Amino acid sequence: DAGVIQSPRHEVTEMGQEVTLRCKPISGHNSLFWYRQTMMRGLELLIYFNNNVPIDDSGMPEDRFSAKMPNASFSTLKIQPSEPRDSAVYFCASSLVGQGVEFFGPGTRLTVL
Amino acid sequence: KNEVEQSPQNLTAQEGEFITINCSYSVGISALHWLQQHPGGGIVSLFMLSSGKKKHGRLIATINIQEKHSSLHITASHPRDSAVYICAVHKTSGSRLTFGEGTQLTVNP
Repeated sequence: DAGVIQSPRHEVTEMGQEVTLRCKPISGHNSLFWYRQTMMRGLELLIYFNNNVPIDDSGMPEDRFSAKMPNASFSTLKIQPSEPRDSAVYFCASSLVGQGVEFFGPGTRLTVL
Repeated sequence: KNEVEQSPQNLTAQEGEFITINCSYSVGISALHWLQQHPGGGIVSLFMLSSGKKKHGRLIATINIQEKHSSLHITASHPRDSAVYICAVHKTSGSRLTFGEGTQLTVNP
């Protein structure tokens, strides 16, 4: 199994630009999580989906952030417009609902200049 | 006050030493996780616990539900154990993980 796949691995962009992060969960997993990690705040859950449906998006910082899961094998996290304070590592993780063990992707390191 | 607190924040040890990292939480939980994040950034789930003790190689994780406390032990530590160790809990009210701030472990040869 390839594990959770994220792309791109690194993204450098300018303030105001749109950024789209992509995630392919492990095949068969039906929960998907988007996390953000910064030095100041550590790991934070942004949003998670069960069976492609957003369950809890209370961690999404503001309206500039949006996430979609159009099918069981793909999710996107979009930031529009991006700001320097959005610079962080964004992790995607997947699991089986109720199993509890989450498998993390390698992360996308985002730098907004 | 954080719902999940870890101690110590930073730990430096010599190769071969026995290491203990502690995690205390203040909410009801259905399970507790120990995660490892290597300097390259990748995150690996080490254990998921809801009671008792689990062992995997040189790693041992224990949890005391009554005291709301968990420990991660590393026996015969090695420089490759150097990483950030993160405690996280599933609250009984939902399935999202709540994270501690992590413990930075450095094992010197």
